[in-house]
Amino acid sequence: DQQVKQNSPSLSVQEGRISILNCDYTNSMFDYFLWYKKYPAEGPTFLISISSIKDKNEDGRFTVFLNKSAKHLSLHIVPSQPGDSAVYFCAANPTGNQFYFGTGTSLTVIP
Amino acid sequence: DAGVIQSPRHEVTEMGQEVTLRCKPISGHNSLFWYRQTMMRGLELLIYFNNNVPIDDSGMPEDRFSAKMPNASFSTLKIQPSEPRDSAVYFCASSPSAGFNQPQHFGDGTRLSIL
Repeated sequence: DQQVKQNSPSLSVQEGRISILNCDYTNSMFDYFLWYKKYPAEGPTFLISISSIKDKNEDGRFTVFLNKSAKHLSLHIVPSQPGDSAVYFCAANPTGNQFYFGTGTSLTVIP
Repeated sequence: DAGVIQSPRHEVTEMGQEVTLRCKPISGHNSLFWYRQTMMRGLELLIYFNNNVPIDDSGMPEDRFSAKMPNASFSTLKIQPSEPRDSAVYFCASSPSAGFNQPQHFGDGTRLSIL
């Protein structure tokens, strides 16, 4: 059973526009969430995180929003750039335990 | 700074053969994780170690899979005997400490193909 779900396998966005990647989770004990970015033939790299005590965290062009009641988080990239084209994984962690990863969303930013 | 180092980057072998994947975590990191990436299930945690001790191996698919961490700077994931369905990308990751909301740092993976 996937405890973290990314229901959109792919997304295409025009350069300069907003990219919104979504993630849903099932376990209300999850209290720390992360987004990773992965280029082909490389390992995932950490992008941004959010603790369950917050509903928003911003780092430059990247903002993560957390809606605990809906068990939903999203990653906003504004403005999107061609170099943002990659696979994005969301992950969730109940304190003191392993991370659970989604299946990833492949983002293509069209120049 | 050196990141997580995995070897080999690619491995192609025939079914029934033993496969050994290797990982060197980031120096000073106390936790090490082995993941398998497939299209259907994304990144699945196979096993993780804290201070060289296996903590949770519930993700290891079968007895054919085993992992060791003889010291703080080295870990292996072994498949014996290998089967075609084991073909995947295997990632190793390390973090300063498990369970303290620390992002994991990933190696570049080993792409395994079992013929």
